[in-house]
Amino acid sequence: GESVGLHLPTLSVQEGDNSIINCAYSNSASDYFIWYKQESGKGPQFIIDIRSNMDKRQGQRVTVLLNKTVKHLSLQIAATQPGDSAVYFCAEKFAVLLRREKLTFGTGTRLTIIP
Amino acid sequence: EAGVTQFPSHSVIEKGQTVTLRCDPISGHDNLYWYRRVMGKEIKFLLHFVKESKQDESGMPNNRFLAERTGGTYSTLKVQPAELEDSGVYFCASSPNQGEAFFGQGTRLTVV
Repeated sequence: GESVGLHLPTLSVQEGDNSIINCAYSNSASDYFIWYKQESGKGPQFIIDIRSNMDKRQGQRVTVLLNKTVKHLSLQIAATQPGDSAVYFCAEKFAVLLRREKLTFGTGTRLTIIP
Repeated sequence: EAGVTQFPSHSVIEKGQTVTLRCDPISGHDNLYWYRRVMGKEIKFLLHFVKESKQDESGMPNNRFLAERTGGTYSTLKVQPAELEDSGVYFCASSPNQGEAFFGQGTRLTVV
């Protein structure tokens, strides 16, 4: 697949357990953050986003936490399922209100759910 | 509703040849983006169109890459002449104004 040769951090979690994926972002001025999920042979798929004026946001089975002090972002997935197995990317945007839409991606983490 | 579609899904060309990748965004999305991931690296931004205009092309690696967006609809990314280091997966994405970006499945380019 397209990840051949790409040495990603990996995380293996037992089905039904919770998982936490971490990301360190680069630009302290970034004001918008997104988590993407990428399955083999597909493009990145939006999971959840958070603006810099928030420190936590919840979706369905997912929670994103933002710590601006240490420039850290995390994605928590509750009650993991086999379909959660994928590569997860964090991405950041700077100056969203100025319509600068460029996304800067992290390297990604490969999550494997063990049945 | 159709998503972002990219053609071809795979392309294998020889060094020095020309390749043109195509992206059809979601209908009505003014914003169109090109990204790529070369082997061993993270996904990197190439450029951003708003309708037919280039809003930001700061990620284009060199003048061998030419992107166009005819009439603000589909977009093409031409690589001429292709080099070995251009191998990777090229993603296109589109978004409405101030909305989330939807990605295509990508085109895997292999230059041999």
